[in-house]
Amino acid sequence: NAGVTQTPKFRVLKTGQSMTLLCAQDMNHEYMYWYRQDPGMGLRLIHYSVGEGTTAKGEVPDGYNVSRLKKQNFLLGLESAAPSQTSVYFCASHRQSLSGNTIYFGEGSWLTVV
Amino acid sequence: AQKVTQAQTEISVVEKEDVTLDCVYETRDTTYYLFWYKQPPSGELVFLIRRNSFDEQNEISGRYSWNFQKSTSSFNFTITASQVVDSAVYFCALSELGGSNYKLTFGKGTLLTVNP
Repeated sequence: NAGVTQTPKFRVLKTGQSMTLLCAQDMNHEYMYWYRQDPGMGLRLIHYSVGEGTTAKGEVPDGYNVSRLKKQNFLLGLESAAPSQTSVYFCASHRQSLSGNTIYFGEGSWLTVV
Repeated sequence: AQKVTQAQTEISVVEKEDVTLDCVYETRDTTYYLFWYKQPPSGELVFLIRRNSFDEQNEISGRYSWNFQKSTSSFNFTITASQVVDSAVYFCALSELGGSNYKLTFGKGTLLTVNP
């Protein structure tokens, strides 16, 4: 009953450090997404994946890289963290067709870059 | 490009009042989904409803109701007899059905505070 799990939940980084956020889902979903949430901005799409081995850019991809080597995992990488990347990150997933399905969100990862 | 506008940044009501959260959207597609999510102070996103653009029937779920009007591109959310536990940020979102994915475009959210 794990659903969508994000790791870590909280992290403080120094400017220039790198890190990877892991999103894992146990529902055999094809589609996975990474969003960031900033105050007064709603959620904005960073990158997404429509299946294992495929990724694509969203609305705000700069400064991030992603990988989907396994169907159940979607990794979001920050190669050189910047204070502008301080945000709450949400992962989401769903099956191939939205018909009859909903979009599942993780609980969020709070990232602070100092 | 698709766009979702939630013009109300913050709303404050007293418990038991009814409150309506507005959502106006823009899309060039004729088929799309509309969503409402609740984000309580604990931070997680709670799914409330998904509406297909073909289905303009209003929906009621307990104290919650949704009014979808395609003619005005609006999908408003009403809470009847509000309670303190309804205090949260509410997001309206749009997903177009064309293409190979279902990317969500979110509004900026409305912070609802229900005072006792």
